[in-house]
Amino acid sequence: GDSVTQMEGPVTLSEEAFLTINCTYTATGYPSLFWYVQYPGEGLQLLLKATKADDKGSNKGFEATYRKETTSFHLEKGSVQVSDSAVYFCALSGESNFGNEKLTFGTGTRLTIIP
Amino acid sequence: NAGVTQTPKFRILKIGQSMTLQCTQDMNHNYMYWYRQDPGMGLKLIYYSVGAGITDKGEVPNGYNVSRSTTEDFPLRLELAAPSQTSVYFCASSYVTALNEKLFFGSGTQLSVL
Repeated sequence: GDSVTQMEGPVTLSEEAFLTINCTYTATGYPSLFWYVQYPGEGLQLLLKATKADDKGSNKGFEATYRKETTSFHLEKGSVQVSDSAVYFCALSGESNFGNEKLTFGTGTRLTIIP
Repeated sequence: NAGVTQTPKFRILKIGQSMTLQCTQDMNHNYMYWYRQDPGMGLKLIYYSVGAGITDKGEVPNGYNVSRSTTEDFPLRLELAAPSQTSVYFCASSYVTALNEKLFFGSGTQLSVL
């Protein structure tokens, strides 16, 4: 079945550092890929998405490129801020699923940015 | 703008007790979902609903029940709580279903069964 493997945390960085959170997936066909973010005390919210190979999703300075050849969707940001401290979830919606009612999530990576 | 509201935020149950986790959304979304997240694990789908009166099992439905009598509400019922149900529960909704449709999540309910 579908699966998502995400970089284990926690990750601690200094402000303005470069961020990479790795995400690889296993799925049949051509899934859609997502990054969700959960800020302290809040629900998950969509950060960015990509629906086909070589697409780049971007939002709030974060980027991720859908790499079918390496089955990866790594999250990157060039210069992190304290406000980026949160838990980040990689997820996929399989092509064979009817809609995204069966989103498959990774385990989440807790990111802490220190001033 | 309320979005998806879950209550309670925290709860401790004794083994064998029952309770209902409440979820309501004010966005007129057709689709609603219940997920659970165990420590160090990804979110697992418990149940989902594609509209009022229609529910279906997800990946881990055992020990839970749901109902969807209105578009707004999607309560999750635990009848005989067990320690294995200690988890964080998330309710979510979306307007339509599509491969790239985003979900709106509540802030979660942390449940401990002792």
